[in-house]
Order: sequence, then C-alpha cells, then structure tokens
Amino acid sequence: DTEVTQTPKHLVMGMTNKKSLKCEQHMGHRAMYWYKQKAKKPPELMFVYSYEKLSINESVPSRFSPECPNSSLLNLHLHALQPEDSALYLCASSQSSRPQETQYFGPGTRLLVL
Amino acid sequence: SQQGEEDPQALSIQEGENATMNCSYKTSINNLQWYRQNSGRGLVHLILIRSNEREKHSGRLRVTLDTSKKSSSLLITASRAADTASYFCATDEGRMGGGSNYKLTFGKGTLLTVNP
Repeated sequence: DTEVTQTPKHLVMGMTNKKSLKCEQHMGHRAMYWYKQKAKKPPELMFVYSYEKLSINESVPSRFSPECPNSSLLNLHLHALQPEDSALYLCASSQSSRPQETQYFGPGTRLLVL
Repeated sequence: SQQGEEDPQALSIQEGENATMNCSYKTSINNLQWYRQNSGRGLVHLILIRSNEREKHSGRLRVTLDTSKKSSSLLITASRAADTASYFCATDEGRMGGGSNYKLTFGKGTLLTVNP
C-alpha cells in the first residue's frame, strides 16, 4: 500500500468555525508533513513530524494546530482562519526525514475560507 | 527561502516532441528531486539525483545535475498528452544545527502542456 489518504477532499468553512483535516498512511513511514499550496504556486512546507514528534514548524500561525496521534495519522486542526488561508493542503509521508527520502503525497484537501 | 527556480514557467509542445525543463538553486544540496503534479492533485515523485551524480535515467525521463552551476534539467522524451502537468524540482535544505531535520524546498514549477 503506497497511498496517502486525506479527508475531506473539499472543505468550506467560516472564519469562526473549527475544523480538522486528516491524513493517513500505512507504509510504516516515520516522517509526515503538511504543506500549503496556493494556486499556480509551489507547495510550501508548514510542519514536519518525525517519529510522532513535531520537528519543524515553519513559523505557521497558531490558528493552524498539527497533531500526530500515532505513526499512521496526522491531523491539522483549523480555528479562526482567514480568507487568505484558502488553499490546497497537502499531506505527505516518507520513510524518515533524511534528505534522500522520497515523499509520498496525498491528493490534498481544497479549503475555502469564507 | 526558495531554492529551486524552474524555467520555463510554461511550455507547450506537440505529442512526440521532447520537453526540457531547467531548475536552478542557490545553496549546496545533498540531493535534487523532481516531482510532477496533475492539476489540483497531489505530487508524484519522478526521480532523485544525488549531488555526486551527473546524470540519471528512468524510462522516458533523463535528469542532469551540474553542481558547479547549481542547476538541473529534466528531459521528457517522446512526450504524450498524459504528460501534461506541472513539474517541480525540489532541493533538500538542512536545518540549523544539522541532525535529521531536513526539508524539501520546491521551485516555482514548469507547467507543461502536451497537445495531441
């Protein structure tokens, strides 16, 4: 199984809502990532989890809160988002966070903040 | 800081032609990877080339790396309509203090359109 799954595929939320994005992999990977991608732009790294511990936070606003409940799951909790946070949110995983590892991406959650 | 810068930003060719995309980066790297993204979907890894390698092949893909010029190229031969996608190079960037906290930094990407 070389698949990373993400739910939901689409999400529309108001600025006062609280929602969560979910990501799952069953490849035994120990590194998981959240990226944000705006239209016609490259993915931008938000967070890296290595062995279920947060290892990189790219100065992401606190309205985005990541969580790694176990080695297969990665959540991104959203609260009080702004319209400019509308984007495609991509989850990825890799065997480890070493530089030679291939990252496997999920299909993304397309988020619209109204 | 963004490492990879691809050119051209957009490329339109006919089926059967070859497509060449270039990527330049700024600092030393361990590896350079190329990824492909179909419209609005996740990225798919294509090929990785290590800093001590100069050329690598995978099927219809050929990647070169020139570390002295800090540049890489991706050649897709005998293109097909199904190759239509955005192509990104990605370089690793070690964290301050070393350790295992590396991250990939993606270039701006090349949008390739292959016309049937």
